[in-house]
Amino acid sequence: GAVVSQHPSWVICKSGTSVKIECRSLDFQATTMFWYRQFPKQSLMLMATSNEGSKATYEQGVEKDKFLINHASLTLSTLTVTSAHPEDSSFYICSVFDLLAQYFGPGTRLTVL
Amino acid sequence: KQEVTQIPAALSVPEGENLVLNCSFTDSAIYNLQWFRQDPGKGLTSLLLIQSSQREQTSGRLNASLDKSSGRSTLYIAASQPGDSATYLCAVTKAGTASKLTFGTGTRLQVTL
Repeated sequence: GAVVSQHPSWVICKSGTSVKIECRSLDFQATTMFWYRQFPKQSLMLMATSNEGSKATYEQGVEKDKFLINHASLTLSTLTVTSAHPEDSSFYICSVFDLLAQYFGPGTRLTVL
Repeated sequence: KQEVTQIPAALSVPEGENLVLNCSFTDSAIYNLQWFRQDPGKGLTSLLLIQSSQREQTSGRLNASLDKSSGRSTLYIAASQPGDSATYLCAVTKAGTASKLTFGTGTRLQVTL
């Protein structure tokens, strides 16, 4: 399956700052990537679908102006959490879809102080 | 709206036991079902994928079955080992939207020595 990396693996920031998380597909050209959020002891919740060369599709209840997604190439999608607040602290995971299954990155732990 | 439930929520077994994890979903119009493993603070590892037309898939000590009409899947782990300790998640994709996953609530497995 596809190999996916994320950077950084963890980040701590102050409230009000913006944080960018990168998701890279290392061995597959992905037209579609997904961004998930996972709160402690909860399952994954899909935030948005990232489409290469076009606007992302956001799930209901996810603020598109707060979670900016850019999928500028077939191997890179970025998620920027703007004006982060403590309630945005979570585990963010991306995945790549290879027309059959999804393959997940190792995740990014965001802590907002 | 698809809802995916996993039972039990947590399970502790001694090493060597065979065990079964259960996954149920409310909408049987699925494209496929995947079982994942998640270690604490890590991303997801895909274990098995079952297409809607298949009944089961096997990989090593793992066997997953699918009964689409009743909305159920089971993951059978033979001869459990401490290294199997993790959270196991099942996820389904809806027919016609082959890429979007709906995750179950997860089963936290602890295999003791």
